[in-house]
Amino acid sequence: DTAVSQTPKYLVTQMGNDKSIKCEQNLGHDTMYWYKQDSKKFLKIMFSYNNKELIINETVPNRFSPKSPDKAHLNLHINSLELGDSAVYFCASSLTFGQGAEQYFGPGTRLTVT
Amino acid sequence: SQQGEEDPQALSIQEGENATMNCSYKTSINNLQWYRQNSGRGLVHLILIRSNEREKHSGRLRVTLDTSKKSSSLLITASRAADTASYFCATVGSYGNKLVFGAGTILRVKS
Repeated sequence: DTAVSQTPKYLVTQMGNDKSIKCEQNLGHDTMYWYKQDSKKFLKIMFSYNNKELIINETVPNRFSPKSPDKAHLNLHINSLELGDSAVYFCASSLTFGQGAEQYFGPGTRLTVT
Repeated sequence: SQQGEEDPQALSIQEGENATMNCSYKTSINNLQWYRQNSGRGLVHLILIRSNEREKHSGRLRVTLDTSKKSSSLLITASRAADTASYFCATVGSYGNKLVFGAGTILRVKS
């Protein structure tokens, strides 16, 4: 059984379009995250939700909007896509929002903006 | 800016040899974690070491933490081709609640 799943795995789109990435976890965790991994493999947190409440919102353009309909799902919507948005986006979850709780990652969504 | 800096950036060894990767960080931490990422996959948690711990073992993995030097090392003993992956350290600050990742070490184990 997949613990953290993301769809789609690959996303190729043109500049200016709007796209969404979906994430689901079946671990019963309270906290979910979105990370962006750039071409140099540097991984940076974007958002975190705990029990559907936004708790971490890093300096991310407001074209990125996360939504958590329930504890098991965290979606990422991106408006007006730009070339610089091309990256791999990872969803993750952890049991709690404690200090440094172990995180479980999804397989990633490779977004290519042309 | 990045919290963790890893060294070396890339490491190539023969199967059966040991691999050592190092991580340095800048501010005081609550804990430090190591993750593995296979090519094209998500990250997998390997081990967590708390700031009051000096050494931890998990199977063929040994992690040390020196808070006075703000550094950690990950040792993989008797490496296997399947250990080929990128390895990342990630820290949680003493007053923080998010993981901050280093740039990673790419390990290649040749069979």
